[in-house]
Amino acid sequence: ETGVTQTPRHLVMGMTNKKSLKCEQHLGHNAMYWYKQSAKKPLELMFVYSLEERVENNSVPSRFSPECPNSSHLFLHLHTLQPEDSALYLCASSQEGRRGDEQYFGPGTRLTVT
Amino acid sequence: RKEVEQDPGPFNVPEGATVAFNCTYSNSASQSFFWYRQDCRKEPKLLMSVYSSGNEDGRFTAQLNRASQYISLLIRDSKLSDSATYLCVVNGDTGGFKTIFGAGTRLFVKA
Repeated sequence: ETGVTQTPRHLVMGMTNKKSLKCEQHLGHNAMYWYKQSAKKPLELMFVYSLEERVENNSVPSRFSPECPNSSHLFLHLHTLQPEDSALYLCASSQEGRRGDEQYFGPGTRLTVT
Repeated sequence: RKEVEQDPGPFNVPEGATVAFNCTYSNSASQSFFWYRQDCRKEPKLLMSVYSSGNEDGRFTAQLNRASQYISLLIRDSKLSDSATYLCVVNGDTGGFKTIFGAGTRLFVKA
C-alpha cells in the first residue's frame, strides 16, 4: 500500500458547495499535516495534528475545517470557498511532529473553485 | 526578510556538471533541516536530511552552517533525471509544528 494516499486527486467545486478531502497514511506515523501550494508560491502549512490533537492553526480561514479521527486518517472539510483557494492541497505525515522529523507527502488534491 | 530564502534559478547545467544550491533561514532556533525535490505537478519527495556534521548520499552532499544560518546542497555528476525543483525546508523551535518551505530552486540538466 502506498505510504500516503489522498482522494480525490482532482476536484472542481462551486463557491457554494461543501466538499471534503481525505488523506490516509499507512506508515504508522503519529503526526499529519495539511499544506496548500498555490501557483508560484511556497508550500504553506495549514494544520498540524500530533497524536490526533490539533497543534497549530496557522490562521487559516474558517472555511477550511480539519478533522483527524485517528492517527491514520485526516480530512479537510471545505465550504463556501473562494476562487483564490484554488490550489494543490497536500497531506503529509511524520513519525513524531514535535521532533521536526522527515515528512512524507501524498500526491495531493488539485482543487479548482469556480 | 523571508523566513527561508532560496535562489529561484533556474539553473541550466549540462549533464555531468556539479551544481550547488544555497538556502538561508532567519530563525536561529530552528531545529531540523531538509532538502526535498519536487517534479512538475507532483508532490515533494524527501531527498535528504541535513545534519550539523554534513551528510552525503551518493552524488548529493548537504551541509549546515548554523553560525551563518544557511544550508547547502551539492549535486555532482548531474543527470537528466535530476531536473526538478529543489526545496529547502526548515523546522522552527517547535519542530514540525512550524515547518517552513522555501520557494524552491529550479534545475534543468541538459544533454
